[in-house]
Amino acid sequence: AQSVTQLGSHVSVSEGALVLLRCNYSSSVPPYLFWYVQYPNQGLQLLLKYTTGATLVKGINGFEAEFKKSETSFHLTKPSAHMSDAAEYFCAVRPFGNEKLTFGTGTRLTIIP
Amino acid sequence: NAGVTQTPKFQVLKTGQSMTLQCAQDMNHNSMYWYRQDPGMGLRLIYYSASEGTTDKGEVPNGYNVSRLNKREFSLRLESAAPSQTSVYFCASSEGLGGTDTQYFGPGTRLTVL
Repeated sequence: AQSVTQLGSHVSVSEGALVLLRCNYSSSVPPYLFWYVQYPNQGLQLLLKYTTGATLVKGINGFEAEFKKSETSFHLTKPSAHMSDAAEYFCAVRPFGNEKLTFGTGTRLTIIP
Repeated sequence: NAGVTQTPKFQVLKTGQSMTLQCAQDMNHNSMYWYRQDPGMGLRLIYYSASEGTTDKGEVPNGYNVSRLNKREFSLRLESAAPSQTSVYFCASSEGLGGTDTQYFGPGTRLTVL
């Protein structure tokens, strides 16, 4: 069975600082990996996804994530935080050949002015 | 192009009451889903529909029923609401059921059961 662990339910960074949100997965087969963002009182929207090929994936709003198979990780980063990045971020995994998408418990990102 | 729409946005029920949450998508997607979101638990799948005419249970189906009315619409029914069903409910849709398919989410329904 697959699972997703997001380290840190709350992360605070200063405006302009590096954003790093951690995601580790466990899966018996290679997975497809996703990051979603949820702004206050809204539904989730896709930030980026890893399918196959290049392990560094670029998404919307300056975010990117790197798939590291040896570390079973898919951490999300952004070089310089903006106030508009304040939201909750969800990592999700779907193993190859499996239709089920499993979400992590989320990380709430706060930006300090 | 509205994407995924949900009604109502907010609802308060008393224990034992019933209600139906409505969801519609205009992206011609084949697959649709109902999730619930609770603090510290992420999103959990209640039911899904791979295609028109089919429905399947997800992770937490007890106390819920669904209907895939047509390709566009997928409703979630609570027959006898319980306080444990207080949650935010999200509907989502995707072109297919697996692989790299992206799920698109509605704005959610915030349900409180007293």
